[in-house]
Amino acid sequence: GEDVEQSLFLSVREGDSSVINCTYTDSSSTYLYWYKQEPGAGLQLLTYIFSNMDMKQDQRLTVLLNKKDKHLSLRIADTQTGDSAIYFCAERLRRTDKLIFGTGTRLQVFP
Amino acid sequence: DAGVIQSPRHEVTEMGQEVTLRCKPISGHDYLFWYRQTMMRGLELLIYFNNNVPIDDSGMPEDRFSAKMPNASFSTLKIQPSEPRDSAVYFCASSFSAYEQYFGPGTRLTVT
Repeated sequence: GEDVEQSLFLSVREGDSSVINCTYTDSSSTYLYWYKQEPGAGLQLLTYIFSNMDMKQDQRLTVLLNKKDKHLSLRIADTQTGDSAIYFCAERLRRTDKLIFGTGTRLQVFP
Repeated sequence: DAGVIQSPRHEVTEMGQEVTLRCKPISGHDYLFWYRQTMMRGLELLIYFNNNVPIDDSGMPEDRFSAKMPNASFSTLKIQPSEPRDSAVYFCASSFSAYEQYFGPGTRLTVT
């Protein structure tokens, strides 16, 4: 079946690194995504990784993919208060154009 | 580009009334998706179009919901009649070849 799971909350101190984790169940996923949602706004695409890659780095963001364990993570280096938001992971299945979204992780950054 | 445009941003209506939500996708995108977001159910895909043709409407809750895409630059999601349980934030997203979906700001619907 198709299921994407995330922990609900993460709290970090400003300047520390944040790691948001995601697990998915469908091994046919082709692309995996990270979206950010700030209060009252739509989802903003942060980054994505193709399923044949292990890692992707984009400035402060590092995505790690463990396909064997179906585990995806997003690391935010030097976390800032502006990073406080809800982060969604999503998978795109091979046989469809749909994205399956996780429940979202609320990241709170405190000074 | 202005991004995905949705209107209205907020809608308050009474139970039983018809509600129409509008979306203008990013120019050149060939996919359009309608989502609903609630605290209880998270983000749900309602329907999506490819080249203005509905491909999968399995997420549409019931016959009260309908969606159209008369051309590449406009889509509507209609609820008739509306019910309090339809209260949610409705998002439209567009993409080129379904790889990267870009979301609009959403319409917050309240049905009293």
